[in-house]
Amino acid sequence: GENVEQHPSTLSVQEGDSAVIKCTYSDSASNYFPWYKQELGKGPQLIIDIRSNVGEKKDQRIAVTLNKTAKHFSLHITETQPEDSAVYFCAATPSFMDSNYQLIWGAGTKLIIKP
Amino acid sequence: EAGVVQSPRYKIIEKKQPVAFWCNPISGHNTLYWYLQNLGQGPELLIRYENEEAVDDSQLPKDRFSAERLKGVDSTLKIQPAELGDSAVYLCASSLTSPDTQYFGPGTRLTVL
Repeated sequence: GENVEQHPSTLSVQEGDSAVIKCTYSDSASNYFPWYKQELGKGPQLIIDIRSNVGEKKDQRIAVTLNKTAKHFSLHITETQPEDSAVYFCAATPSFMDSNYQLIWGAGTKLIIKP
Repeated sequence: EAGVVQSPRYKIIEKKQPVAFWCNPISGHNTLYWYLQNLGQGPELLIRYENEEAVDDSQLPKDRFSAERLKGVDSTLKIQPAELGDSAVYLCASSLTSPDTQYFGPGTRLTVL
């Protein structure tokens, strides 16, 4: 089955700098890769996602890149702000178009923005 | 638009006691999920409902966990009896259909003493 590894487990960056979180997956059939942000005491919230037919997607300060050959995808946050501090999860699924699909989650990255 | 509502937000019980969690999904969402999240880990799916039908409960420990979604709207997850290892956050999520973007509630933090 699918396995998703996420690195680093903790990332501390200076406010205004960029942050990059990386995930690798094992199932080459995976075709949908969402990223979720979880703030303290809240449930995960979808911030961006990418399908396997796209190599990059951007939404303001957030971007996701996908390398299908290497089976890894990354979250990029530019011009980081204090409100970006949270735990970020990547996920993958090999059958997004299948009604029986199940997201396989990474272990999470705690992002700390230093003022 | 109201989000996914869960209650209670926190629950502390002694081992061997029963406990129940309630979830009200986003209006119109047919698919409802229950997840378990341990500290420092990603969510793990327990059960998925399509309307009233549990279509994926392979990860649900059926000896002590049960769930229901009567009328295809609200859902209840029950643990009886609770064990120390059940301490975790229980998340409910919903989506318009499956597959689709999942929207999460704030979760219920369970502590079993």
